[in-house]
Amino acid sequence: SQQGEEDPQALSIQEGENATMNCSYKTSINNLQWYRQNSGRGLVHLILIRSNEREKHSGRLRVTLDTSKKSSSLLITASRAADTASYFCATALSGSARQLTFGSGTQLTVLP
Amino acid sequence: DAGITQSPRHKVTETGTPVTLRCHQTENHRYMYWYRQDPGHGLRLIHYSYGVKDTDKGEVSDGYSVSRSKTEDFLLTLESATSSQTSVYFCAISEDGARGYGYTFGSGTRLTVV
Repeated sequence: SQQGEEDPQALSIQEGENATMNCSYKTSINNLQWYRQNSGRGLVHLILIRSNEREKHSGRLRVTLDTSKKSSSLLITASRAADTASYFCATALSGSARQLTFGSGTQLTVLP
Repeated sequence: DAGITQSPRHKVTETGTPVTLRCHQTENHRYMYWYRQDPGHGLRLIHYSYGVKDTDKGEVSDGYSVSRSKTEDFLLTLESATSSQTSVYFCAISEDGARGYGYTFGSGTRLTVV
């Protein structure tokens, strides 16, 4: 079963609006990462948040982490058509942290 | 993607034949990974390597083997391809596993088993 599950599975918004995606996981983590995948391409690392952090920013991205609820959210502000992609959360388990377990992703469509 | 290449990009093979996919990196990273991506399942880990000749199984390793004889190359072999192994295969590299730097992914290999 998946360690990380994204919600919603698909999201469609207008350009300029904010997009929020959520990720839930099941076991204790070392860190949680978000990746973007454009159609037909490999995944690209966006941002990493450690288990002792609650919020992190990178440009138009804001990530939050609530370890008590085992959940994270990714907010993309002022969305652009170029943000259209699939977004995946991935967790590194506490302990070895050698590998990432990915969720099934959220397909974001930003309409011009 | 810079520093990591996968070959071939596309392959069609027949059921029962062996298939080898190659991942090559120029970053000198210690960790290399093979994932498969299927609709509705996200990415699932097949095998990974944490050094030359050091490998470990992932979530979906049955029917796959790997080898890493040099830092820069990580090979994935399907011993006897089955239709259930039709998928997109991604290689990824990392400097420190999953601790802090994130993965860099290749562009993927689309494998079709007929």
